[in-house]
Amino acid sequence: GAGVSQSPSNKVTEKGKDVELRCDPISGHTALYWYRQSLGQGLEFLIYFQGNSAPDKSGLPSDRFSAERTGGSVSTLTIQRTQQEDSAVYLCASSLEDRVFNYGYTFGSGTRLTVV
Amino acid sequence: AQSVTQLGSHVSVSEGALVLLRCNYSSSVPPYLFWYVQYPNQGLQLLLKYTTGATLVKGINGFEAEFKKSETSFHLTKPSAHMSDAAEYFCAVSPMDSSYKLIFGSGTRLLVRP
Repeated sequence: GAGVSQSPSNKVTEKGKDVELRCDPISGHTALYWYRQSLGQGLEFLIYFQGNSAPDKSGLPSDRFSAERTGGSVSTLTIQRTQQEDSAVYLCASSLEDRVFNYGYTFGSGTRLTVV
Repeated sequence: AQSVTQLGSHVSVSEGALVLLRCNYSSSVPPYLFWYVQYPNQGLQLLLKYTTGATLVKGINGFEAEFKKSETSFHLTKPSAHMSDAAEYFCAVSPMDSSYKLIFGSGTRLLVRP
């Protein structure tokens, strides 16, 4: 597609429920990233996918968080047993390659998750 | 470990005034440096980046930033603010040992008064 597409744009869920957030990267972009933006804070790296390589999951805050990328394209971030502290904007980005200094990222508009 | 500090969570300027948004980084070696802008309900958009070469970098919408190694700074400036510049601005570094990862500052919200 023309840009990085994320869905839903807004999600309100009850504490303890599971949620799935979807990211559709730009066609042909091999690298895909998930970041979390909490109120008043910067973006926090969560996970990175590059082609068929093992993802870098070093930023996932707990084992309630997981992500997958099917067929090297669409990615889904899953949060199990959501907690109120999970409330944030979840941003997805994609890049032509994994060298950010060459190409930078293209970000989606994000999914605003509210856990009540 | 690298880190990024943005001084001032909010900066307010009058239309036509100089814009100065401060960014300092912590790194044992000069990293790659970036400024992103986020307009309301939109994703982040790359304003400019420094990798190597000229230390004064020009970006979109009339913004520029200067890499000062001695001060470990990468401040963002624009000579004359426009109402459309009101947004949140993020400074970011790419660690030399993780070429794919960006570490972001906490952001500065720019308010432009008429």
